[in-house]
Amino acid sequence: KQEVTQIPAALSVPEGENLVLNCSFTDSAIYNLQWFRQDPGKGLTSLLLIQSSQREQTSGRLNASLDKSSGRSTLYIAASQPGDSATYLCAVGPDYNQGGKLIFGQGTELSVKP
Amino acid sequence: GAVVSQHPSWVICKSGTSVKIECRSLDFQATTMFWYRQFPKQSLMLMATSNEGSKATYEQGVEKDKFLINHASLTLSTLTVTSAHPEDSSFYICSALKGGGADQPQHFGDGTRLSIL
Repeated sequence: KQEVTQIPAALSVPEGENLVLNCSFTDSAIYNLQWFRQDPGKGLTSLLLIQSSQREQTSGRLNASLDKSSGRSTLYIAASQPGDSATYLCAVGPDYNQGGKLIFGQGTELSVKP
Repeated sequence: GAVVSQHPSWVICKSGTSVKIECRSLDFQATTMFWYRQFPKQSLMLMATSNEGSKATYEQGVEKDKFLINHASLTLSTLTVTSAHPEDSSFYICSALKGGGADQPQHFGDGTRLSIL
């Protein structure tokens, strides 16, 4: 059974700092992996998607990496801003259900202080 | 873009009432939609997968008769919480797939906060 874990559960950093959020999964047979952002009381915004054949994806100040063999993904945020404050969720798409269900981690609650 | 609209965003009702939540893909057709439930400070738990024109597939432990799902068109799926009770109070979020490839992300609605008194 696929399990997704995110560390740390909460993180507080001063503005301008670079930071890394971690995601680990127990079964390397994945279809893809997505990183989402969730603001309080809101739905999810897709940030980056990495297909199982890829090692990283970049969008602006965000970079996500994927190492299937070790069951890990990281989300790197450069030059953090107060507007980056939100909960970041990692979700794995299992290979057995291609294009289907996502299994989510518990999220990392990020606070960027001005 | 790929926009998913969810309605209502917030509903408060009395115990025993049935509540319908709509999930619409506004600018694309979605053969598959998903319904998730999220408790405070917790992650999303998949409830069911909704396929257009066929019966929904429910996750283990989710009561089919309690949470009725109808995916009548390629742009609309509905979740009806029947005879709702306080323990059904939660944040319900839908998502839709624009296509089936590994490069296709799921697109999420803004969620519906359900409070049962």
